[in-house]
Order: sequence, then C-alpha cells, then structure tokens
Amino acid sequence: GQQLNQSPQSMFIQEGEDVSMNCTSSSIFNTWLWYKQDPGEGPVLLIALYKAGELTSNGRLTAQFGITRKDSFLNISASIPSDVGIYFCAGPQNSGGSNYKLTFGKGTLLTVNP
Amino acid sequence: GAGVSQTPSNKVTEKGKYVELRCDPISGHTALYWYRQSLGQGPEFLIYFQGTGAADDSGLPNDRFFAVRPEGSVSTLKIQRTERGDSAVYLCASSLIPGSTDTQYFGPGTRLTVL
Repeated sequence: GQQLNQSPQSMFIQEGEDVSMNCTSSSIFNTWLWYKQDPGEGPVLLIALYKAGELTSNGRLTAQFGITRKDSFLNISASIPSDVGIYFCAGPQNSGGSNYKLTFGKGTLLTVNP
Repeated sequence: GAGVSQTPSNKVTEKGKYVELRCDPISGHTALYWYRQSLGQGPEFLIYFQGTGAADDSGLPNDRFFAVRPEGSVSTLKIQRTERGDSAVYLCASSLIPGSTDTQYFGPGTRLTVL
C-alpha cells in the first residue's frame, strides 16, 4: 500500500525559531493533508493541499504540495511553546475510489524550548 | 459546537476479555471512520461507515474486530478475545460528506490497554 515517510522524526528548537519538516512517498498523492496532534487528543487538520505546486498558508504555517505529487513540506515560522506536538502528513488512498481512507506518516515530534 | 466524543477515554482490560468502544460523531455527519494508533505511529484506517452501513471494513485486522452504527449516528467498535497486541489508541472521526476528502474531524480517542 501507499506509505508516507516523514522527516525528521523529532525536533527540539528554541522559541522564535522557524521549523521545516517534510513528507515523501514512493507513489503519487492527489491531496496532501497536515495534521497536528496534542497529547491525549485526536489529530486536528492544519492545512489541506489539492493541487501540485500549491503553496498554502494558515497563520504562521505554510505548506506546499510538491510538483511531483510525491512530497510535501510544512514550515512553521516564529515558533511558540503551543506549537509543541506531533505533526502528521496524510493523504487519501487513490485506488478503487477509496479517497476517504487516509494514510498517515509516522509523525514529527516538535518540542519548543521557551 | 460539540466535536466528536469517545468513551471511555481509557480502558484497561485483561487478555481474552471483550470490550466495546463508543463514538459520538458530530451531529449531521453521515460519514464515520475508525482508526487505530499504536505508540509512535500515525493512525491506521480500520473501517468506514456511510450512514448505517459499513462501506469499507478492509482495515479491520481480523474477525475479532467488529463495528456497528445501527442508527447512522453513534458507532461502537467491538473487540472480542482481546490480545496484548490490541493495545493502542482507537480514534474515531466523522465528516459531513461520505466518500470524499471532506475534512475528517477526530475525537480524542480511547486508550485501550490489554494486560
């Protein structure tokens, strides 16, 4: 099946720094989603990307849908302590009309030191 | 408004026991999904309901797992003869439009521990 590889696995940064993380796949995705999960909570959608090359921002977050449709990155500018959490990339499976079935990466754990 | 809720938040059981996990989706959402998240992993798809029927149960690991949604709202995930490997967080999500990439809203999950 389709797999998503996220890097880095974890990051430890100082408050105010910018952060970049990415997600790659061996197969094409038609949609890229970025979720954040806080401890004890379910994932919350941050940004959705629907078109190759698309660059979308949500506040301090910016994400891009790679031209090859096999990768995406998420940037966080001027990090703050509440950015702490696990960031997941995800995408719907493309085969057999199963576009509701999301595949998730393993996540990037972000720690922000105040 | 109210989001997706799941009960219990934590469940500890012994190997071989039967458990039921409940999900209350967002009101009006016709699509409901169950995922399982193991430690250090992302959520993995289990089953998808479109209304009352299970439209896709291809992610259920074996026949010990079963889920129902009899009235098209609340869903129950049932696990028989639990095994230690079933320990994970079970997440429920719902979306307004079934069968599409409409945003899936996740509940907080039920953490299942099988001793």
